[in-house]
Amino acid sequence: GDKVKQSPSALSLQEGTNSALRCNFSIAATTVQWFLQNPRGSLMNLFYLVPGTKENGRLKSAFDSKESYSTLHIRDAQLEDSGTYFCAAESQGGRALIFGTGTTVSVSP
Amino acid sequence: DAGVTQTPRHEVAEKGQTIILKCEPVSGHNDLFWYRQTKIQGLELLSYFRSKSLMEDGGAFKDRFKAEMLNSSFSTLKIQPTEPKDSAVYLCASRNWGYQDTQYFGPGTRLLVL
Repeated sequence: GDKVKQSPSALSLQEGTNSALRCNFSIAATTVQWFLQNPRGSLMNLFYLVPGTKENGRLKSAFDSKESYSTLHIRDAQLEDSGTYFCAAESQGGRALIFGTGTTVSVSP
Repeated sequence: DAGVTQTPRHEVAEKGQTIILKCEPVSGHNDLFWYRQTKIQGLELLSYFRSKSLMEDGGAFKDRFKAEMLNSSFSTLKIQPTEPKDSAVYLCASRNWGYQDTQYFGPGTRLLVL
């Protein structure tokens, strides 16, 4: 089943705009990770989160374990932000990550 | 520091062959994961090792898939016999468990079974 549900599945952005991606969990997530998979297929780490927020440059992420969701905000989108964003959750007692289905982001000039 | 390395990067196999994929985790990491990625199923866990001990073996993959970790710096994933439906990208990841750290992924092996 969809233990980690990502939305939207696809997103088209113009350079310079802002947007948000979301993950909803039907498991009791204890930590959340966000990854970006580039067109060549490499998965790059963006954030590792316990409940709370983190910011890195134009990216900001939040994880609310009580409400069971996480968000990733992209500010001032650039062409290099294009790719597929995955969130993944770890649950108490669980040992491996459960991945969402991804959000494919296309940034155009 | 070297990241996670995987070989080969690409593999083409005939149906029924045995193939072995290799992974070297980040030095010092004690958790190692094998995932399979397809467009339809997304990212699915195949195996998970902690300090070389098998912790989790993806139920759907047990019969023809066998992952091993003979030492802390090397793991293999054997698929025997291969089937066309095994065509996918196989990703290896490692992490330093206990340090609240993310998983670091290798570049993947793209497998095509004819």
